Amino acid sequence: EAQVTQNPRYLITVTGKKLTVTCSQNMNHEYMSWYRQDPGLGLRQIYYSMNVEVTDKGDVPEGYKVSRKEKRNFPLILESPSPNQTSLYFCASSSLPARSGNTIYFGEGSWLTVV
Amino acid sequence: GQNIDQPTEMTATEGAIVQINCTYQTSGFNGLFWYQQHAGEAPTFLSYNVLDGLEEKGRFSSFLSRSKGYSYLLLKELQMKDSASYLCAVREMGNAGNMLTFGGGTRLMVKP
Repeated sequence: EAQVTQNPRYLITVTGKKLTVTCSQNMNHEYMSWYRQDPGLGLRQIYYSMNVEVTDKGDVPEGYKVSRKEKRNFPLILESPSPNQTSLYFCASSSLPARSGNTIYFGEGSWLTVV
Repeated sequence: GQNIDQPTEMTATEGAIVQINCTYQTSGFNGLFWYQQHAGEAPTFLSYNVLDGLEEKGRFSSFLSRSKGYSYLLLKELQMKDSASYLCAVREMGNAGNMLTFGGGTRLMVKP
């Protein structure tokens, strides 16, 4: 079954304590991306990756890091989380090149609260 | 960059038809997606338009006019389970490949 898997699904952490949200896909997709979703602001892209070792900033990259050492994994790293990073996070993946058959698949989401 | 607008909320009655509009401005259009998202869940793919016209999938249809920067999602025979947010997203040409920009979503409430 085609899947994008995120962990953890729910996390409450404290300001400044480094955390990593993992994302893994089993579809051999080249493209992976992280979004955050906040009330009234919709889904905003944090970082994306076109392939292994190729990453780039999205619209709201500040305070986040990513890595793409393997094709299937794209972890999101918060080196020093702050309360304004409290949000619902989604990982997504799709194959390339971008064309009609290449639907973007989303993970189930990770609820992160920073206190 | 892109600017995507859709209504914040809509209400409709079970069994009726509802149309959710989306307007966009982009420098390099490469397709428009509609997603359905129930509260706290992942967005799920509904439809994709890259050429002008209507795409029909069962109770859901999506229309695109590239010259007008306009799309709509049409939901027929509404069911209570259709209560959800509907997200319009535009894909832009260029090195970003599959980079999508999302509108703020339209929260649809279906009433008995």
